Amino acid sequence: QSLLTQPPSASGTPGQRVTIPCSGSGSNIGTSRVNWYQQPPGTAPKLLIYFNDQRPSGVPDRFSGSKSGTSVSLAISGLQSEDEADYYCAVWDSRLDGWVFGGGTKLTVL
Amino acid sequence: EVQLVESGGGLVQPGGSLKLSCVVSGFTFSGSAIHWVRQASGKGLEWVGRMRSKTDDYATAYGVSLEGRFTISRDDSKNTAYLQMNSLQTEDTAVYYCVSGQWQLKNHMDVWGQGTTVTVSS
Repeated sequence: QSLLTQPPSASGTPGQRVTIPCSGSGSNIGTSRVNWYQQPPGTAPKLLIYFNDQRPSGVPDRFSGSKSGTSVSLAISGLQSEDEADYYCAVWDSRLDGWVFGGGTKLTVL
Repeated sequence: EVQLVESGGGLVQPGGSLKLSCVVSGFTFSGSAIHWVRQASGKGLEWVGRMRSKTDDYATAYGVSLEGRFTISRDDSKNTAYLQMNSLQTEDTAVYYCVSGQWQLKNHMDVWGQGTTVTVSS
């Protein structure tokens, strides 16, 4: 059972906007910055969003991150078929003294 | 191009040991932390641990589920990091990734290797 809670699945049609939430607590999201990772099938994860809402170079601005209290969200607008992947949130937990990942959300583009 | 390449995975019997390597190229590895992350087949990502840079006294931290069986080390002169795994159990079967970063992400998980597979089985 992960300290970070994500829905196991999400879906949308091409062009739609989809939001993936990640809920934590005061010892992790409440006090540290969150990163998001995208993992298409059969590939290594890739950094998608860092420090809650920053995009690395090369990541389309269709992807955005936000934070409120002990929760964060990843939003994907203009959904495309290549967005079909697993998405993970990750953050440092001060109580565990280690990084924790959310359980992952499998995004399906219908 | 920033690149991390893991090696050393394979089949090992329960109770055995294995040492993974991760060669980093394309940036100044010595100034960055190195993380190890694993993923069992069909499961999510699990943080194994990390070692910070010399500037941060090579501080280490490990996932709580590992019970002190794993040790991370590094040789900055060879741009290489290692993961020593002892008392391996079937539950340790997974793809193991090394991950690092640079600049403002030097202590974060930014660039990932392609992974190396560890199978613990009799």
